Formats: sequence, C-alpha cells, structure tokens
Amino acid sequence: GAGVSQSPRYKVAKRGQDVALRCDPISGHVSLFWYQQALGQGPEFLTYFQNEAQLDKSGLPSDRFFAERPEGSVSTLKIQRTQQEDSAVYLCASSLEGTSGSEQYFGPGTRLTVT
Amino acid sequence: AQTVTQSQPEMSVQEAETVTLSCTYDTSESNYYLFWYKQPPSRQMILVIRQEAYKQQNATENRFSVNFQKAAKSFSLKISDSQLGDTAMYFCAFAEGPNDMRFGAGTRLTVKP
Repeated sequence: GAGVSQSPRYKVAKRGQDVALRCDPISGHVSLFWYQQALGQGPEFLTYFQNEAQLDKSGLPSDRFFAERPEGSVSTLKIQRTQQEDSAVYLCASSLEGTSGSEQYFGPGTRLTVT
Repeated sequence: AQTVTQSQPEMSVQEAETVTLSCTYDTSESNYYLFWYKQPPSRQMILVIRQEAYKQQNATENRFSVNFQKAAKSFSLKISDSQLGDTAMYFCAFAEGPNDMRFGAGTRLTVKP
C-alpha cells in the first residue's frame, strides 16, 4: 500500500509569511508524529497525535507553530510569521498503534527554506 | 533527560566488508526500546532494526545485527557484506513510551565499490 506522503516537498517562504505543511499518513494508522530535522542533525520531536487528539505538543518551539489532525487522518503543521531559524526539513511519521516501541513510518519530508 | 550519542559522524567501508556503527544512550529506566533507522539521500527514513531492552538476545535482520550491552548503555549496529545501497545516514534512536523517540545526530556511511 501507499506510504506516508507529504506536500509540498519543497517550500520557500519569505520571512514573516505563514506556511502550511501537509501529511497523509498510512491509512488506518492511529498515531502521527511531526519532527523537525535541521541540517546535519537527527530529527527532533515536535508533536504527537493519537487519532484526532493532540496528546503531546511539548516539542513545538514557539506559539507560532500549530498542528492539527481534525479527522484523525491527514495532518497539517502550520508555521506563522516564519523566521530564518525555522528553515529545516519537517518530517511526518505514522504508526499503526499508539504503543511503546511501535515502528514509525516516515514520509519524505518537506524542506522549508525561509529567506 | 534521554540522550543518544553517535560518536562517528562519518564512516566508510568497502563493498562486501563489515562495518560497525556505534551508539550510546543515557537513561535511568529499565525498560525501553532502541532503533536503528536508515535515511538514504532521498530522505525517507526506514527502520533497519529494533531491540527491546528486556530481551537479552541481540536482534538480527538479515545482514544487520546489533550488539546490545545494557549495562554499558551501548547499542551498536553491524552491517555485514556491505552493499552500495547501504550508503545512507544511519540514526540511532531511543524510546521509553509511544511518543518520546529521541534520535542521535547520525552517522553518514559510504560504501565504496
């Protein structure tokens, strides 16, 4: 079946613009995660959904970052008033269950460049 | 706080040879999960192998195996018979619960023909 997809794959935004990044998880996957990956670094956790409930948003770096998953499938990560430090690859992952140790399936990521 | 350390930013290996990637972690918990993920140049991360801390036996997946030393908090990945397609970034990751996965900074592995 289809894997996790993300769109757009690349996004260039001018500082101060708002952006919206989309994630389509694997159908039927309960859990959905967003990560931020800076150049040359490992992914860092941003937020976690179980179905439509956002259970953990402790990794969101500021109140300019907002994520939603209103129907428990597709998720959107929104960044308001983008700053240069927001430039990174944003990865989405989903897992079938919300249990410890569950394999996460990653999308290809959206590379955001803020100029 | 959990930390994951990969001390080898870059490594290279000749095709068909064996290479070992290092990972250490820090935790005060006794039960947790460890992972190795591969990220090829296309950027889609793929799970290579997973180890549950309460299992004594080291996990193995075909050419990939781990050396899990719980007391030393070490979790190294051995790739046997390296292939050109193994060229990628490799990330070690640690998780205690369903939503607290932490990644190391990664090791860039190049397999040379």
